[in-house]
Amino acid sequence: NAGVIQTPRHKVTGKGQEATLWCEPISGHSAVFWYRQTIVQGLEFLTYFRNQAPIDDSGMPKERFSAQMPNQSHSTLKIQSTQPQDSAVYLCASSLAWGGDQNTLYFGAGTRLSVL
Amino acid sequence: GNSVTQMQGQVTLSEEEFLFINCTYSTTGYPTLFWYVQYPGEGPQLLLKVTTANNKGSSRGFEATYDKGTTSFHLQKASVQESDSAVYYCVLGDLNTGNYKYVFGAGTRLKVIA
Repeated sequence: NAGVIQTPRHKVTGKGQEATLWCEPISGHSAVFWYRQTIVQGLEFLTYFRNQAPIDDSGMPKERFSAQMPNQSHSTLKIQSTQPQDSAVYLCASSLAWGGDQNTLYFGAGTRLSVL
Repeated sequence: GNSVTQMQGQVTLSEEEFLFINCTYSTTGYPTLFWYVQYPGEGPQLLLKVTTANNKGSSRGFEATYDKGTTSFHLQKASVQESDSAVYYCVLGDLNTGNYKYVFGAGTRLKVIA
């Protein structure tokens, strides 16, 4: 079990460029989450998929952020027209299911996005 | 809404000292409470979990007890080691009602000096 895999580990973009972050959840996990981590705000929920379907994207900045999960094995977070305030560590997490004892979140190592 | 409060931003201890990290929470639902630990360059990982059915959790020498009366979920360890240096997050999940938005505390950075 390789755990949750996130690529790239580091990404540097210029202001106004697009950034795409990738996440491969643990095989067999049906729930996938994206979080953003900054020193000031801590860990912030962005969005959640269950069985590939988008369930809640209430944490996503509406205009420039989007997330997709085209198949069971990967999810992407896309940020258009990146701004310096988007600089953060973006964490992907997956869980086996939801409810009961199956709700432990397993996080990837994160992608550190730096917008210059 | 649900909330979690961790007051201590940073704790510095010497090896073999006692660790206590304060966490209080607020929810109108049925909480599952977690402590996650994050080492440098890694994502958070589960340290221990407690539900309303079992009031106490322990792992790797760490213990946490859920107290519904005081709505607290403090983390303790009798004797810390340098390898315990990390950031510790108290996390609230109101999972029985389907609220999947884990609420993370602000985190407590533990530095253990050899």
